[in-house]
Amino acid sequence: NAGVTQTPKFQVLKTGQSMTLQCAQDMNHEYMSWYRQDPGMGLRLIHYSVGAGITDQGEVPNGYNVSRSTTEDFPLRLLSAAPSQTSVYFCASSYAETQYFGPGTRLLVL
Amino acid sequence: KNEVEQSPQNLTAQEGEFITINCSYSVGISALHWLQQHPGGGIVSLFMLSSGKKKHGRLIATINIQEKHSSLHITASHPRDSAVYICAVDGGGADGLTFGKGTHLIIQP
Repeated sequence: NAGVTQTPKFQVLKTGQSMTLQCAQDMNHEYMSWYRQDPGMGLRLIHYSVGAGITDQGEVPNGYNVSRSTTEDFPLRLLSAAPSQTSVYFCASSYAETQYFGPGTRLLVL
Repeated sequence: KNEVEQSPQNLTAQEGEFITINCSYSVGISALHWLQQHPGGGIVSLFMLSSGKKKHGRLIATINIQEKHSSLHITASHPRDSAVYICAVDGGGADGLTFGKGTHLIIQP
């Protein structure tokens, strides 16, 4: 199993550009989530999904959209990037007792 | 919203020392997770606790539900244990985990 994969690893955007952060898992987990990690703060939940076709907002959803058309994929879309969205983004899936995190995407918005 | 506090924020110790990292939270939970974030950024799940104590190799995690407190212990610490250790609590709903800010541990040879 590849586990949870994320692409790209690193991205630079200009203010106002849009992009999609990709996340995929091959463990058939129903629950998937997106977090952002900022210096001096704990990871914060952006959006989550309890299964294909079902998504909901987390703590910091503004400026981000998600969709879950398949169990495997959970892309995060930045609609119009802002410097405040400069962060490291982690996708995760979970089953039973264990959380599985992707390697992260470092995003810099200029 | 659950408030998760970790202490210490930073810890530097010598190889072989016994390490304790603490986590307290403000609202009752269904489970608590300990995670390890490597210097390269990857996050690995170490433990999930809902009561009592768990042990894996040199790592021991305990939780006291009544006191809303958990500890992560590392015995015979080694430089490869250097990482950020993160506590996260699960409120039992579908809305994910609430994370502490992490404890940055450095083990010097």
